[in-house]
Amino acid sequence: DAKTTQPTSMDCAEGRAANLPCNHSTISGNEYVYWYRQIHSQGPQYIIHGLKNNETNEMASLIITEDRKSSTLILPHATLRDTAVYYCIVKGGSQGNLIFGKGTKLSVKP
Amino acid sequence: NAGVMQNPRHLVRRRGQEARLRCSPMKGHSHVYWYRQLPEEGLKFMVYLQKENIIDESGMPKERFSAEFPKEGPSILRIQQVVRGDSAAYFCASSPPGQGRSGEQYFGPGTRLTVT
Repeated sequence: DAKTTQPTSMDCAEGRAANLPCNHSTISGNEYVYWYRQIHSQGPQYIIHGLKNNETNEMASLIITEDRKSSTLILPHATLRDTAVYYCIVKGGSQGNLIFGKGTKLSVKP
Repeated sequence: NAGVMQNPRHLVRRRGQEARLRCSPMKGHSHVYWYRQLPEEGLKFMVYLQKENIIDESGMPKERFSAEFPKEGPSILRIQQVVRGDSAAYFCASSPPGQGRSGEQYFGPGTRLTVT
């Protein structure tokens, strides 16, 4: 599975959009981009995933560049409860496990 | 629809004792994964199981650790002769049939093991 690079930390004002970037320049054609988050001491929570088209669900939007070498997770109206570590994971279908990196620690401030 | 359940939520063991961690996957899910998170570190994959089968145990320590997912009942992660370095949060995740190698997994709240 391809490696990902994320900023260590980011701040966002409450009510504003949080845009979390992820680089995955070695992604291969059959690998998906997944996003999870882990709120302090809780189990990770699945957010969204995509292959090459942009995706949106009730939690977030995922924008994947045309060359698929990077993506951005967008939380449109961040709340204090969105404060968490966000993990970008690239995964193909050859293995069952997820490989978690260090993620981005997002702090939403009032 | 109940989510992934893990028990106990907190477990304290003395060095040398055995620890048994239980995981009940979401209803209808047939794939179970165990991950470990050491203090201030990221999650590390341990083992992937289907009913009565271990699919991938590449992340499991070679000694003292074992896992099972019997035909009936929860998945069990067993740690024998625990040492202080086993102190961590252990998370279980599950996914539906046919989605074993997808990345959409649903995690439980974890079991926090403390070895004294």
